[in-house]
Amino acid sequence: DAGVIQSPRHEVTEMGQEVTLRCKPISGHNSLFWYRQTMMRGLELLIYFNNNVPIDDSGMPEDRFSAKMPNASFSTLKIQPSEPRDSAVYFCASSQGGAAFFGQGTRLTVV
Amino acid sequence: AQRVTQPEKLLSVFKGAPVELKCNYSYSGSPELFWYVQYSRQRLQLLLRHISRESIKGFTADLNKGETSFHLKKPFAQEEDSAMYYCALIRGSTLGRLYFGRGTQLTVWP
Repeated sequence: DAGVIQSPRHEVTEMGQEVTLRCKPISGHNSLFWYRQTMMRGLELLIYFNNNVPIDDSGMPEDRFSAKMPNASFSTLKIQPSEPRDSAVYFCASSQGGAAFFGQGTRLTVV
Repeated sequence: AQRVTQPEKLLSVFKGAPVELKCNYSYSGSPELFWYVQYSRQRLQLLLRHISRESIKGFTADLNKGETSFHLKKPFAQEEDSAMYYCALIRGSTLGRLYFGRGTQLTVWP
């Protein structure tokens, strides 16, 4: 298995634009997590899914953020409109209920 | 509520010296505990899990339920151990949701 795959690896966008981050979890894993990492706030859990159903989205900072998991092999995190303070590394992770395995992350820069 | 505390934000040691990264947790049940490592600008990687009682890259961690601790130790640090280390906890009924500490940045000097 190639592990958790995220795309794109880097994204630079202008303030106000829509940004979509993508994640392919490890096959067979039934939980998927979206994290944001910044120097100031460290690792923050944004939302997590179990069996494609959102379980806890209390970490989603604002209505500008939304996440979907239409099937077991794909999830998206969308920011619309994006703002400079959204600049961070966004990680996707998946698990079968035990240890989670992380993707390489998407480094988002909003200018 | 559950909480994972890593009291040291930064830790520096010289090569060959012992290193201990502290982790304390608060949770009334029986948690699963993990250590993750993140090398510069890379993904978080699972380093250890307490149920395995294994040694990876010379690191060990023992769960002390009395002290609610899960400290990470290595007897002789190497320069390549320089990284960010995160302690994390899973509660019994949260479908694998990890609760992370704030992390400790370890620097091993030559």
